[in-house]
Amino acid sequence: EPEVTQTPSHQVTQMGQEVILRCVPISNHLYFYWYRQILGQKVEFLVSFYNNEISEKSEIFDDQFSVERPDGSNFTLKIRSTKLEDSAMYFCASSELERGLAGGETQYFGPGTRLLVL
Amino acid sequence: AQSVTQLDSQVPVFEEAPVELRCNYSSSVSVYLFWYVQYPNQGLQLLLKYLSGSTLVKGINGFEAEFNKSQTSFHLRKPSVHISDTAEYFCAVRKTGGFKTIFGAGTRLFVKA
Repeated sequence: EPEVTQTPSHQVTQMGQEVILRCVPISNHLYFYWYRQILGQKVEFLVSFYNNEISEKSEIFDDQFSVERPDGSNFTLKIRSTKLEDSAMYFCASSELERGLAGGETQYFGPGTRLLVL
Repeated sequence: AQSVTQLDSQVPVFEEAPVELRCNYSSSVSVYLFWYVQYPNQGLQLLLKYLSGSTLVKGINGFEAEFNKSQTSFHLRKPSVHISDTAEYFCAVRKTGGFKTIFGAGTRLFVKA
């Protein structure tokens, strides 16, 4: 069964450094998402991406975050200057286009990247 | 805005017993409702979703959920649990036409032998 993959599984970085988290969505999916889960807290939506542009973003997704689909298979989340509070598990997800069902599509999640900012 | 409240942070239950994980939501617009499961060190996997129609939704692994619009609830049930059902369960909502999924805080189901 096709699945979403994420690399690396763990990333440790120093505060102020840039990190890039990588995701390979399911191949025929057209919608892509990033979520995060700070330890002990809820899973939080960051951003959705469709047709090479951001379709929706949360208040968390400020100027230090950016997303990109650099080629036909990868989807990346960049954090420009990491802060201690960026330490979290970051999940990528993807979904198909289901006509007439906007919002009801199943989002398939990757296993996550655990980011630790020191 | 939407919000989700999962009423129990932990639910311990014996193997082969029934279980209900409770979820209430709040929204001023129409929403779709979801239950996800997260096994240790894995991503979230969809158990089931309510889009429209019959209020009783059947999902994978023998789980089902009932949508109750008047009580704004979407409780998850299983008539007989297995040890392998031990995991964290998340209730979630998404407004129709939207992309952003709002998750509850999760309920840790612990199945004891």
